[in-house]
Amino acid sequence: DAGITQSPRHKVTETGTPVTLRCHQTENHRYMYWYRQDPGHGLRLIHYSYGVKDTDKGEVSDGYSVSRSKTEDFLLTLESATSSQTSVYFCAIGERSVTGELFFGEGSRLTVL
Amino acid sequence: AQSVTQLDSQVPVFEEAPVELRCNYSSSVSVYLFWYVQYPNQGLQLLLKYLSGSTLVKGINGFEAEFNKSQTSFHLRKPSVHISDTAEYFCAVRPLSGGYNKLIFGAGTRLAVHP
Repeated sequence: DAGITQSPRHKVTETGTPVTLRCHQTENHRYMYWYRQDPGHGLRLIHYSYGVKDTDKGEVSDGYSVSRSKTEDFLLTLESATSSQTSVYFCAIGERSVTGELFFGEGSRLTVL
Repeated sequence: AQSVTQLDSQVPVFEEAPVELRCNYSSSVSVYLFWYVQYPNQGLQLLLKYLSGSTLVKGINGFEAEFNKSQTSFHLRKPSVHISDTAEYFCAVRPLSGGYNKLIFGAGTRLAVHP
């Protein structure tokens, strides 16, 4: 199994509070991705990173920010959580952008009340 | 832009029966195609992929898929399912010239295998 750890695995929070989800990898892969999974939508890309301090937006980036200060860590922040951000969040890593395979973490379930 | 349609949201089937999970895609450019599987409370893992060459692709756990360019389909099949195949299956596409940041997933098909 690829060494990907997401934390926390479960979180319940209230509307308006900040939330940070962490993805930690031990594979030294260059590329890291944050997805959200919602019923009827599959997985949708929020943000991704192609190196330390290099990040870009995905399909559903509004309301989210990311940071990558080290190769192994990719943080997803909700500055002010809303109920529409209740979802399951997955981190994925890949060694290459075009070829190779994506490896997924086990997910972080976030509930915003 | 690309899009993916998984034609069945749920597929119930009895153990040892054959199964087909249907996937159609839309794209103005050539694409790579993928099937991922998600077991309960786990992340996704790659089942198989079509990059080029033979249109019949074999994956893990006895699954296979056939790429049909004229029908823009990439249906997943297994001749005899097991209880342990119960999971959600996602079809995904991305353009040849794009990276994984261009990967588009379908909505998923939940396969339920009954004894």
